[in-house]
Amino acid sequence: KAGVTQTPRYLIKTRGQQVTLSCSPISGHRSVSWYQQTPGQGLQFLFEYFSETQRNKGNFPGRFSGRQFSNSRSEMNVSTLELGDSALYLCASKGQQRTPQYFGPGTRLLVL
Amino acid sequence: KNEVEQSPQNLTAQEGEFITINCSYSVGISALHWLQQHPGGGIVSLFMLSSGKKKHGRLIATINIQEKHSSLHITASHPRDSAVYICAVGVDSNYQLIWGAGTKLIIKP
Repeated sequence: KAGVTQTPRYLIKTRGQQVTLSCSPISGHRSVSWYQQTPGQGLQFLFEYFSETQRNKGNFPGRFSGRQFSNSRSEMNVSTLELGDSALYLCASKGQQRTPQYFGPGTRLLVL
Repeated sequence: KNEVEQSPQNLTAQEGEFITINCSYSVGISALHWLQQHPGGGIVSLFMLSSGKKKHGRLIATINIQEKHSSLHITASHPRDSAVYICAVGVDSNYQLIWGAGTKLIIKP
């Protein structure tokens, strides 16, 4: 099976812009979670989608949103970018309950 | 106090040494994960544990549910083992994970 893929791998934006990141889970996986990783805050949970519904949400402002499509692919959107949004955004997919999450390579976002 | 604590934060060792990274948690968990993150960001899931011990190649992970403690061991360490090792615990059936801060491991040749 192909692994979790994320596009783009690298992105440079300026403050105030918006960005959309994409994640394609492992075939058959219906759960997709998004994480933000920064040097100062470590890994932080953004949200989880399951069968096109947001099932869990972390403590991030409303500028961070996501969605999941019927094929389980997920997108994450960040509007009105701030310098502090510069981070590695990781996506992970999971199959059945009590199985591991599998991570994508991440999208490295730099906000100038 | 963080709910998941890892130690040490940084570890430098010589090639061939036996490595131990510790993880303690303070919440009830459904499973504990050990993950490896290489420079550049890619994260690989190494183990998922809910009890006992698992072994994969030179890597061994153990968990003591009563003591709320897990260890990751690397035998015959190699420079390619240099990475950040992260402990994360799943606290409910939806598997939202609580992450440790990571242990940065450097193995010198």
